[in-house]
Parts: sequence; structure tokens; C-alpha cells
Amino acid sequence: DTAVSQTPKYLVTQMGNDKSIKCEQNLGHDTMYWYKQDSKKFLKIMFSYNNKELIINETVPNRFSPKSPDKAHLNLHINSLELGDSAVYFCASSSLPGANVLTFGAGSRLTVL
Amino acid sequence: AQSVTQLGSHVSVSEGALVLLRCNYSSSVPPYLFWYVQYPNQGLQLLLKYTSAATLVKGINGFEAEFKKSETSFHLTKPSAHMSDAAEYFCAVSDRQAGTALIFGKGTTLSVSS
Repeated sequence: DTAVSQTPKYLVTQMGNDKSIKCEQNLGHDTMYWYKQDSKKFLKIMFSYNNKELIINETVPNRFSPKSPDKAHLNLHINSLELGDSAVYFCASSSLPGANVLTFGAGSRLTVL
Repeated sequence: AQSVTQLGSHVSVSEGALVLLRCNYSSSVPPYLFWYVQYPNQGLQLLLKYTSAATLVKGINGFEAEFKKSETSFHLTKPSAHMSDAAEYFCAVSDRQAGTALIFGKGTTLSVSS
């Protein structure tokens, strides 16, 4: 039973399209995160939610909009996709906000053509 | 702002040799420190963490790391490398306040040859 699951695993789309990535965790954690891993494997925090409340919002274009319908789900919607959005997006969760062990999903590889 | 620096983007060792992956952190107060491993096309898996108990931390798969405040270091070691250790390794730092995320280093690719 997967602890943090992301869908889809692979996503290929054209520039200008809108796409969403979904994330669900069954660990009972209160905090969820989105990280972006670029082609050089650098991981950067994008957003963090604690009990459906946004607590971290790094400098990310407003084309990216996270949504947390409940504490077990954190989705990422991206409008007007650009070539530079191509990356692997990782969802993660932890039992406390910050300073704790993150459990990661397997990643969603987004390719923008 | 906190940060971590991983020295050496690529480390190559022979099977059975010592593995040493270097990580230095920048923080005004003792942080939490982590090592994660990423196998190809997979997510990140926790190897070990330092949260202020023993300075020598043992993790999974025979890895360990030592927190040295005087050197602001948290280097990862394994006495004898195995082919299955080939992966990307990330050092990460977090402060102790609620609401902060892990800040990752740029990663070190470990290659193991037979």
C-alpha cells in the first residue's frame, strides 16, 4: 500500500496547456509539500500545506496553484505551461510542519514540448 | 538563511571500498540534518537524520554520519561499498521551527565499480 502516491507518473503536453498533478498520502500526516527537481537533479521547495492551510509559498510563478481539499490530498495545477516547467515534481508529507522526516512520492515527470 | 553544500557532484569508488560523501551546512543555530538517497526513476528515501541526540547517527544499509558542530559538517560514510549503493545522495537541512521545509544540497552521484 503506497504511502504517498502521485498521479500521473508521466505527463507529456504542449506549451500553453493546463495540467494537474494529484497527490494523496495515507500516513495520517498533517503536512504536505511539493518539490520541483530540475534536469540537474536540484530539489527546490515550492509549496507546503499544514492541515489544508498554506504555510510555505516560495517564489513560484502564479501559474502554479496548489490546492488541498483535505489534509490527505495536495494537488498541483499548472496553467499556460512553458518549456521551463519540464521537471520531476515530487509530493511529500511529514507528521509535523517542518524539521521532520519527509516521506516522498515516486515523482511525476512533466515534459512540455 | 540555511543552506547545505555537498562537495563533489560525483564520487566513484570500487566495490568494497570506503564511501565518503561530504556535506557542510550553514545555520546560525544547530539544525536538523538529513541524508536522503534517490535511486534512478524513484522518489527520495531517508537514510538517516540528526536531531540533537547522539552526534554519530546510524542509518539504513550500513550508512552512518557524524555531526561535527565545530566543522559545520555532516559527512556520510559507509565502510564497504556495494554495487547496489550506486545512486544519488542528497544532504538536507531544516531548522527547528515549525513551518519550515527541508533545504536540499545539489546532490552527489555515487558510482560503484566492480
